[in-house]
Amino acid sequence: AQKITQTQPGMFVQEKEAVTLDCTYDTSDQSYGLFWYKQPSSGEMIFLIYQGSYDEQNATEGRYSLNFQKARKSANLVISASQLGDSAMYFCAMREDKVTGSARQLTFGSGTQLTVLP
Amino acid sequence: DVKVTQSSRYLVKRTGEKVFLECVQDMDHENMFWYRQDPGLGLRLIYFSYDVKMKEKGDIPEGYSVSREKKERFSLILESASTNQTSMYLCASSSIDGISGNTIYFGEGSWLTVV
Repeated sequence: AQKITQTQPGMFVQEKEAVTLDCTYDTSDQSYGLFWYKQPSSGEMIFLIYQGSYDEQNATEGRYSLNFQKARKSANLVISASQLGDSAMYFCAMREDKVTGSARQLTFGSGTQLTVLP
Repeated sequence: DVKVTQSSRYLVKRTGEKVFLECVQDMDHENMFWYRQDPGLGLRLIYFSYDVKMKEKGDIPEGYSVSREKKERFSLILESASTNQTSMYLCASSSIDGISGNTIYFGEGSWLTVV
């Protein structure tokens, strides 16, 4: 069974500084994908970044990077140069890549509420 | 642009009422999902469907049922709403061959309050 753990219910960061949001996962599958989503107070889920289990390079998307440490089963999100608009809930999620069987659903962590201070 | 539309953003229902939450996607996706979101618990999967008329239970199916009569529409049904079903409900869809990247798309969420 998959499991995602986010141990930081809330985080504060000063504007323009970098922040790391922690995520560890547990799976017995060899092939899987790791995702980070941002959820503002409006409720929509905004996709930020994806890392495949076989990707050797850490994923980057603009100010977002994913620090993937496969042996430690961690997939931390790093946000550089924080902006006030980054204040939101952030979710780490995992999906198995198996082809057979039913739909590939995402399993989510409990989330981290990030507040960027001016 | 992929669009997943949830028909109601905010609902208030009475205990015991039958509640329908509707979700429609316009990308011909095979897979559709219903999640429930609660503070401190993240998103938990209620039900999902990988084809018309096919459905599978997720992690917390008790008290819910679903219907998928057409490929684009996936409905979540609360047969007899209870106060512990007050929550935010998120619908999502994905293509069957999506393996990497952002192949799962979410609706904007439905906030349900049961009084």
